[in-house]
Amino acid sequence: KNEVEQSPQNLTAQEGEFITINCSYSVGISALHWLQQHPGGGIVSLFMLSSGKKKHGRLIATINIQEKHSSLHITASHPRDSAVYICAASFQGAQKLVFGQGTRLTINP
Amino acid sequence: DTGVSQDPRHKITKRGQNVTFRCDPISEHNRLYWYRQTLGQGPEFLTYFQNEAQLEKSRLLSDRFSAERPKGSFSTLEIQRTEQGDSAMYLCASRSQANTEAFFGQGTRLTVV
Repeated sequence: KNEVEQSPQNLTAQEGEFITINCSYSVGISALHWLQQHPGGGIVSLFMLSSGKKKHGRLIATINIQEKHSSLHITASHPRDSAVYICAASFQGAQKLVFGQGTRLTINP
Repeated sequence: DTGVSQDPRHKITKRGQNVTFRCDPISEHNRLYWYRQTLGQGPEFLTYFQNEAQLEKSRLLSDRFSAERPKGSFSTLEIQRTEQGDSAMYLCASRSQANTEAFFGQGTRLTVV
C-alpha cells in the first residue's frame, strides 16, 4: 500500500529556531513533493525532488532513497513561515499524489 | 496565465442539493487532478484526467460524484444529493507531465448544512 507519514503533526517554535519536519514513505517513489498551505486553503509547491538535496532561500529539502525518508528544514524561522507543511509522494507507476497528514507549524515572535 | 483557478471559493448548500465546482488548469497542462481535504487531514485523491479522458477514479468517488473535462481544458466536479459528510475543501491541481511540479488552485470550500 502506498503510504506517506509525516511528523510531527504540530510544531511550535520561537522565531529564529531551526525547524525540521520529517516524511517517510512506504515503497518506491518517482518524486517527493513538499508543499505549503496557508489558512484559506491555497497550496504552494515548495520542492519536488527524487534524490539528494534542494535549497531555496531559508528552506532546504533532503531525501534519502534507501531509507525512504525526506526532511524539510527551515533556517532562521520567522512568524511568516507559520503554515501547514505537507509532503506528498508520486509513487512509481501512479499518476496521483499521495499526501501526508501535514505538519502545522507555528513560529512565535 | 494566472495559474490554476477554482470557482466558487466557498459554497454553502443544504443537504440533498446538487453542487457543481469548476477548475481551470494552467493552459498547457494536460493532466488535471481533483483532491478532497477534510479538516486536519492531508488531501485525498478523487480523480485524474489526461486531456479529456478520465483515467483514474478513487473509491472515495461514490456514484453521487461525477467529474468531466469535456474539451481537455476546464473540468467540473458535481456532487448530487449532498450529505453533511461531503463538507470539505475540494482542490484541483494540474501539471504538464507525470513527474513534474503540480500546481494547485485555491480550492472550493463546501459546507453542507
